[in-house]
Amino acid sequence: EPEVTQTPSHQVTQMGQEVILRCVPISNHLYFYWYRQILGQKVEFLVSFYNNEISEKSEIFDDQFSVERPDGSNFTLKIRSTKLEDSAMYFCASSEEGNTEAFFGQGTRLTVV
Amino acid sequence: QKEVEQNSGPLSVPEGAIASLNCTYSDRVSQSFFWYRQYSGKSPELIMSIYSNGDKEDGRFTAQLNKASQYVSLLIRDSQPSDSATYLCAPRGLTGGGNKLTFGTGTQLKVEL
Repeated sequence: EPEVTQTPSHQVTQMGQEVILRCVPISNHLYFYWYRQILGQKVEFLVSFYNNEISEKSEIFDDQFSVERPDGSNFTLKIRSTKLEDSAMYFCASSEEGNTEAFFGQGTRLTVV
Repeated sequence: QKEVEQNSGPLSVPEGAIASLNCTYSDRVSQSFFWYRQYSGKSPELIMSIYSNGDKEDGRFTAQLNKASQYVSLLIRDSQPSDSATYLCAPRGLTGGGNKLTFGTGTQLKVEL
């Protein structure tokens, strides 16, 4: 069964460092998303991406964040200068259409020290 | 008013009973609705989608949608200990153009032996 895959599963980084979180969405899906979940809190939307551009972003997704689809399979989230408060689980998701079911990857746990 | 409201629980039900989970949402233009199950430390797992008013059944799960009341629910019949998890309600909005899912805080379900 097709699935969304994310790497790495766990990343520890020093404050101020850049991190890139990687995702391989389901192959025939056209809509891609990043969400995050701080420990004990709800899942929060970061950004949606369609047709090689950002279609919506939240207030969390400031200039420190960027997304890219560098090739036909990968979808990445870059955090330029990490802060302690960026520590969270980051989930990638994809869907075939804009209103259809979205499937989540297993997540990347980012720890900023 | 919160965008998506769920009773945080925990909701405790005995094994074999029916668990009833409720959700209200504020975005009137939401067109599609999803229920996800999340085990602790894991990613959201899609269990049900519903797009039109009424009931939709899939195995032990029944989703109910009432767009006029901005209400969606999930019934789990014959609850099993493996159903113990947090259940997330997620309407899909058209506002903002990105078709994002907006998650509630989730209802923690505990199925007791």
